[in-house]
Amino acid sequence: EAGVAQSPRYKIIEKRQSVAFWCNPISGHATLYWYQQILGQGPKLLIQFQNNGVVDDSQLPKDRFSAERLKGVDSTLKIQPAKLEDSAVYLCASSLSGRSTGELFFGEGSRLTVL
Amino acid sequence: GDSVTQMEGPVTLSEEAFLTINCTYTATGYPSLFWYVQYPGEGLQLLLKATKADDKGSNKGFEATYRKETTSFHLEKGSVQVSDSAVYFCALSGMDTGRRALTFGSGTRLQVQP
Repeated sequence: EAGVAQSPRYKIIEKRQSVAFWCNPISGHATLYWYQQILGQGPKLLIQFQNNGVVDDSQLPKDRFSAERLKGVDSTLKIQPAKLEDSAVYLCASSLSGRSTGELFFGEGSRLTVL
Repeated sequence: GDSVTQMEGPVTLSEEAFLTINCTYTATGYPSLFWYVQYPGEGLQLLLKATKADDKGSNKGFEATYRKETTSFHLEKGSVQVSDSAVYFCALSGMDTGRRALTFGSGTRLQVQP
């Protein structure tokens, strides 16, 4: 079974530029999550999708971050314009259902460096 | 809101030593509790979980018991190996059935020396 796929693995941009990250969850997983992991900290939830609807985006900085999951499968996370403090690893995870205590499966992450 | 507090690392042990990584949580009701592990160069993966008070999760020689009275979920292993070197994250999943996203602690790096 293929795992959660993310791209790109690494990205370096200047501040005020834009960047987009892509995630393909495990086939059949209805719930998709984006987390931000700053160096030395635990992952912090940015947004949770159930199919193509948003369940929780309370911690997403909506003035610069946006995310979509148009067909209920792949998802894209965009940052525009980027700030220095956005340097982090962006993790995508999926699960069968957001209403169970089942396991979250994580991708390897996309590491963003903002100069 | 929900939160998880873990002991800070790095924790450095010799092979075959006993491991404890402390984890306490703050949450309403009865959350589910998890330990995730991140090996070098790999993504986060579930190590073990417990979904109700007094449950013991176990996997690969690691154990953790859900203690409601002390709001704790400490990770233990009787004899660590070099291959256990990784970052360990304690996490909880809240009671809101519509929002099962995990809240993570800050992680504890374990280094096991031969």
